[in-house]
Order: sequence, then structure tokens, then C-alpha cells
Amino acid sequence: QKEVEQDPGPLSVPEGAIVSLNCTYSNSAFQYFMWYRQYSRKGPELLMYTYSSGNKEDGRFTAQVDKSSKYISLFIRDSQPSDSATYLCAMRNYQLIWGAGTKLIIKP
Amino acid sequence: DSGVTQTPKHLITATGQRVTLRCSPRSGDLSVYWYQQSLDQGLQFLIQYYNGEERAKGNILERFSAQQFPDLHSELNLSSLELGDSALYFCASSVESEIGYEQYFGPGTRLTVT
Repeated sequence: QKEVEQDPGPLSVPEGAIVSLNCTYSNSAFQYFMWYRQYSRKGPELLMYTYSSGNKEDGRFTAQVDKSSKYISLFIRDSQPSDSATYLCAMRNYQLIWGAGTKLIIKP
Repeated sequence: DSGVTQTPKHLITATGQRVTLRCSPRSGDLSVYWYQQSLDQGLQFLIQYYNGEERAKGNILERFSAQQFPDLHSELNLSSLELGDSALYFCASSVESEIGYEQYFGPGTRLTVT
């Protein structure tokens, strides 16, 4: 079993929909939880990070961490075609462990 | 633009050969990370250097080696190449000595081994 599990998708939704992307993990020592976005043929870029539990909001994006369930989520409101990308979760204790990435497609 | 540069963009070589990938970190960043990304394995951490010293090691094969120079640029050397080494190789940089959660990635080098 991998330390971080993420459904690779693809996840296809219509423009304007609310998108929910998720990762589960097994190591309770993780303290930092990150979401990176990767456009095709580009390097990943940090979208949001959360320390420990709770929610964090940035514009149309909300990151949520539930440490009791070992589950993190990224919500995208009013999704746009420009949000089409692969979203990778990553978690850190003394090293950074990456999810496989979920490919998201927003249909106009 | 992340500020991290990588050369070359593309590399095509034959099995058994050796190649060198180069990375220049963002100005001010002392840590450099190397990653391999393939379709079936996702993003795999290879190695981290901080200010010229090896800091952390991931799933790096013995055929692969890296170093960071005094001007902070880094090189990843891949030798005795196999077909399975075909992948995107990313370099990232951060300020911290510990494995940074905020890493800035370069555009990658696409390696094709034939």
C-alpha cells in the first residue's frame, strides 16, 4: 500500500461545476499538506499548502485537511477550462511524499 | 516562469549511453531537488542537495548520480541507460535546508532512450 493514494482520473466536469479532488494517506506523522498543479509538459507549481488540520481558502480554491480520517481535499469553485491540469497532492514529515496526480478536464 | 532553468529540453540517446542534465536554481535558493516523472510511476523524488552537500536521498538508482557546484547549479548524471529510464526529469529548488514544501520546478528535460 502506498503512503499517499490519489485517483489518477481523468475527472471530466462541465465548466462552472464544483470540483472535488482528494487524497488519502496512511502516515499520521504528516504535518504539511500541499496541492500542486501541473499543466501539460510543464513542471508542477505550488497551488496551496495547509499546516496540520483545517481549511484554507484562496480565491476559487479551498484546501481541506481531516487528520482524523487521513484525508485531504481540494475544492475548485466555478471551474474554468484553464483549470484543466493534473493536480498532485504532496505531504511532508521529514520527506515529501507525492500522490500520483489526478488529471482534471473542464469541458467548455 | 519559476526562475528555475533546465537544459537540455529534450534528449534522445541509445541504451548503454551516459547523459548529463543541468539545472540552475532560483536566485537565492540553496536547495536543489531532482525528480523523475514517468507515466506509470508518477513523480519520484531522486535526491536533494543543499549548498553543495547531499541532504536527502530518495529512489535514486546506483547508475544515477548528482552534484551541486559552488555556484549552486546542479547536474544529474545518468549512466548505462536503459529503455525504462525514458521519462521527464525535473529539477526543483527551495530556500530551506529541510525538504521544502514550497518547491519551484523547472520546465523539465524529456529523456528518450532508444
